Amino acid sequence: AQSVTQLGSHVSVSEGALVLLRCNYSSSVPPYLFWYVQYPNQGLQLLLKYTTGATLVKGINGFEAEFKKSETSFHLTKPSAHMSDAAEYFCAVSPTGGFKTIFGAGTRLFVKA
Amino acid sequence: GAVVSQHPSRVICKSGTSVKIECRSLDFQATTMFWYRQFPKQSLMLMATSNEGSKATYEQGVEKDKFLINHASLTLSTLTVTSAHPEDSSFYICSARGLADGELFFGEGSRLTVL
Repeated sequence: AQSVTQLGSHVSVSEGALVLLRCNYSSSVPPYLFWYVQYPNQGLQLLLKYTTGATLVKGINGFEAEFKKSETSFHLTKPSAHMSDAAEYFCAVSPTGGFKTIFGAGTRLFVKA
Repeated sequence: GAVVSQHPSRVICKSGTSVKIECRSLDFQATTMFWYRQFPKQSLMLMATSNEGSKATYEQGVEKDKFLINHASLTLSTLTVTSAHPEDSSFYICSARGLADGELFFGEGSRLTVL
């Protein structure tokens, strides 16, 4: 069985500060891992994904995430927060070659001026 | 990237009426689409998996007769909320799965308000 845990339902940072959104997963098979962003009243947009290969993956809008198998983590980071980064972020896992995607509960990011 | 379009983005209806929401894959063929429901400040809840040319697969606890799903072509899936009640008010989102690595492409979402 697979599951995703996002630590912190709300994260608040100052503009220009480091963004760190935490995600831990459990999977009985090698996982594919995703981060999605959702702006109010919109669908989800892919930020980045890990499937195979390099464990540090870069995505859009300056975000990146590192797959750490030993820690079963896939934390999302951005060196310098921008006001436009304020949104809901979802970590998701899907088994290699598998079908269903499991979403975390989401973390709402607030960016203070 | 692939584009999935959802319509309407907002709909208000009276209790007892039915509402249809469309989900289209604009630049690729999607044999499988997914329908989610999202309550305020919560994650996505998978309602059903829509398979082109066959019956949808519903998640446990989702009423098949209440939420009718049709996937008549490789580019269109529809969700019909039948005999809608205020408790059906929610944000409904569809997605289509990419071929390569499980990436999901999402529609813009549809906010349903039942009066």
